[in-house]
Amino acid sequence: DTAVSQTPKYLVTQMGNDKSIKCEQNLGHDTMYWYKQDSKKFLKIMFSYNNKELIINETVPNRFSPKSPDKAHLNLHINSLELGDSAVYFCASSPYSGGTYEQYFGPGTRLTVT
Amino acid sequence: DAKTTQPTSMDCAEGRAANLPCNHSTISGNEYVYWYRQIHSQGPQYIIHGLKNNETNEMASLIITEDRKSSTLILPHATLRDTAVYYCIVRGEYGGSQGNLIFGKGTKLSVKP
Repeated sequence: DTAVSQTPKYLVTQMGNDKSIKCEQNLGHDTMYWYKQDSKKFLKIMFSYNNKELIINETVPNRFSPKSPDKAHLNLHINSLELGDSAVYFCASSPYSGGTYEQYFGPGTRLTVT
Repeated sequence: DAKTTQPTSMDCAEGRAANLPCNHSTISGNEYVYWYRQIHSQGPQYIIHGLKNNETNEMASLIITEDRKSSTLILPHATLRDTAVYYCIVRGEYGGSQGNLIFGKGTKLSVKP
C-alpha cells in the first residue's frame, strides 16, 4: 500500500483556471506538508498543517490554499493559475510537526500551465 | 535559505563506498543533521539523521564531526540505484516553521559501473 499518495500524477491546464491536487496518507500521521519543486529543481516548503494549525510560507501567493477535510488528507487548491505555477508539487507527512520524525513524501504531481 | 553547503556533484564506482560531505558551520545546539535523497522523478526519501553521535542504519552511516560543523554521509557499497541527488538538511526539533525541511541544491551522486 502506498503510504502517501497524490492525484493526479500529471495535470495540464490553461492560465486562469482553478485546479486542485489531492493528497492522502494512510500512516496515521498528524502533520502534512506541501512542497514545490520548480524547473531548476529547487524544493521549497509551501505549507505545513498540523492538527488544524496551518503554517504558511510567506512567499506563497494567496492563490494557493490548502484544505484539510480530515487528518489523512491535505488538498492543494490553486486559483487563477499562472505560467510560473508550473512545477512538481510534492505532498509529505510526518507523525508530528516537532521532534525528529522523518517526512514521507508522495510521488509528486507535475503541473503544467499553458 | 539552506544552512548547509554541499558539492554540486560527485561520482562513485559501483560497489565502492560513496562519501558525501556537508558543511553546516552555523548549526545550533538543538538542530539535527538530516539526509534525504531524491531519485530522478520521485519524491524525496529519508535516509538518516543525527545530533552529535555517529549513526548507522540499513541504508547508510552518518559521521558528524565533534564540533558539529560538518558531516559525511557514507553509502558503504554504492549501487547504480543509489544514483540520486542527496540533500543535507539542518532542522530544529521543535514544531512550526523550525521543523520544516529547508532543501538546498544537494549533491548529485552518479554511481558508475
